[in-house]
Amino acid sequence: DIQMTQSPSSLSASVGDTVTITCRASENIYTYVNWYQQKSGEAPKLLIYAASILYSGVSSRFSGSGSGTDFTLTISGLLVEDFATYHCQQSHHARSFGQGTKVQIK
Amino acid sequence: EVRLVESGGDLVQPGGSLRLSCVVSGHTVSTNYMAWVRQAPGKGLEWVSVIYPSGDTYYAGSVRGRFTVSRDNSRNTLYFHLSSLRAEDTAVYYCATVTLLGATDYCDYWGQGTLVTVSS
Repeated sequence: DIQMTQSPSSLSASVGDTVTITCRASENIYTYVNWYQQKSGEAPKLLIYAASILYSGVSSRFSGSGSGTDFTLTISGLLVEDFATYHCQQSHHARSFGQGTKVQIK
Repeated sequence: EVRLVESGGDLVQPGGSLRLSCVVSGHTVSTNYMAWVRQAPGKGLEWVSVIYPSGDTYYAGSVRGRFTVSRDNSRNTLYFHLSSLRAEDTAVYYCATVTLLGATDYCDYWGQGTLVTVSS
C-alpha cells in the first residue's frame, strides 16, 4: 500500500501569512495527488487535483506542486476562512490519504 | 446541483450490523464511481470502498469481508452494509462522488457524513 506522510501535523500562522504543507509518498505516484480542505464538523472539500490543478471555484491563493514522491500545498495570504485541516490523497493505486495538517491561528 | 445525503449511522454493539444510505441528487449513481470514506474521531481520512459503474467493488483491507457496498439505481441511492463491527470502525462515514480525468480521479462532491459508534 502507498503511504502518504504529511508534515507538519499542525502549524500556527497569522492572517496574511504564506504557509506550505508537504506530503511525501512512499513510492513514485507521478502527479496523482489531490488536496482537500476540511473545516471542523464539515465534509472535506476538493482544492487541487493532479498535484497542481485548481478545482473550479477555488481561490487562487491555493496552489500545489510536486511530482514523484514529494508534493506541496501552498496557501498565500492566509484569510480567516483558511484556518482548517488539509489532507493530501494519492490517486495512483488503491487510494490513501495523509494524516492531515491542521492550520491554526497564531 | 449535486447533493449527497447520508443516513443510518447509530450506536451499535461490537459484532453488530448497520446499513448506511446515501441518497444522491444531480448525479447518476449507476454510471459513476462512488466512494465511501471514513474518519475516526480526531483522526485523518480513510479510503474505505468504491463501487464502479460496472458494479465491481473495492474494499480497504481493514473492512474487506465485513462491509459491502451496493446501489439501487431506481432510487439513485448508495448503500453501505457494515457487519461484524469493531470499536475501531467508530467513525463518521462519508459518501462521495469520484470524477475520473484521464488516468487520475478525485472526490468532488461529499455528503455531510453519518456517525457510526461501536461500543457496548
